[in-house]
Amino acid sequence: NAGVTQTPKFRVLKTGQSMTLLCAQDMNHEYMYWYRQDPGMGLRLIHYSVGEGTTAKGEVPDGYNVSRLKKQNFLLGLESAAPSQTSVYFCATRDRHLSEQYFGPGTRLTVT
Amino acid sequence: RKEVEQDPGPFNVPEGATVAFNCTYSNSASQSFFWYRQDCRKEPKLLMSVYSSGNEDGRFTAQLNRASQYISLLIRDSKLSDSATYLCVVNIPMDSSYKLIFGSGTRLLVRP
Repeated sequence: NAGVTQTPKFRVLKTGQSMTLLCAQDMNHEYMYWYRQDPGMGLRLIHYSVGEGTTAKGEVPDGYNVSRLKKQNFLLGLESAAPSQTSVYFCATRDRHLSEQYFGPGTRLTVT
Repeated sequence: RKEVEQDPGPFNVPEGATVAFNCTYSNSASQSFFWYRQDCRKEPKLLMSVYSSGNEDGRFTAQLNRASQYISLLIRDSKLSDSATYLCVVNIPMDSSYKLIFGSGTRLLVRP
């Protein structure tokens, strides 16, 4: 069981470039989340999904898009990266009946 | 005002010490409360849930005061391996589900 995995682990982008972060889970969890974590701030929710084919906005959705075409995958896209999107991105999953969220190892993104 | 506030620390304590962290939250509709642990450059992991009656897990004790909207975590007999950042987490209703609000964390350093 891999749990929750994220690819890539690290990435450096130039302003204006695009990329997609992949979150994959083998826990059969319905709920999936994308967070960003910045120094001195708590994790902030970007987008989330309560099931295959559904997505919704979190606290800080601007500049990001998501898709959940398969239950086990949740993709986070940056269409035109900005330096303000330099952050550590965490994916998390949750069983709909339980409260604990399981996090992936994170993706460190730097936008120059 | 942040929805979840924590003293960022760091708390620098010797092995064997008892240390307490506090957290306040602003949303009275919050229903569930948690402490997560995050090691340096790693993902957050659930340490323990916090129940109204207070709960203990080995050397760790969590308390909740709903009237004051205050949560605490007590660590007894600190170990070097307890060095980490402790995140206070609160859930609030969102649409037909809920979302987690993370504090920015309290850093603990346990020295030999």
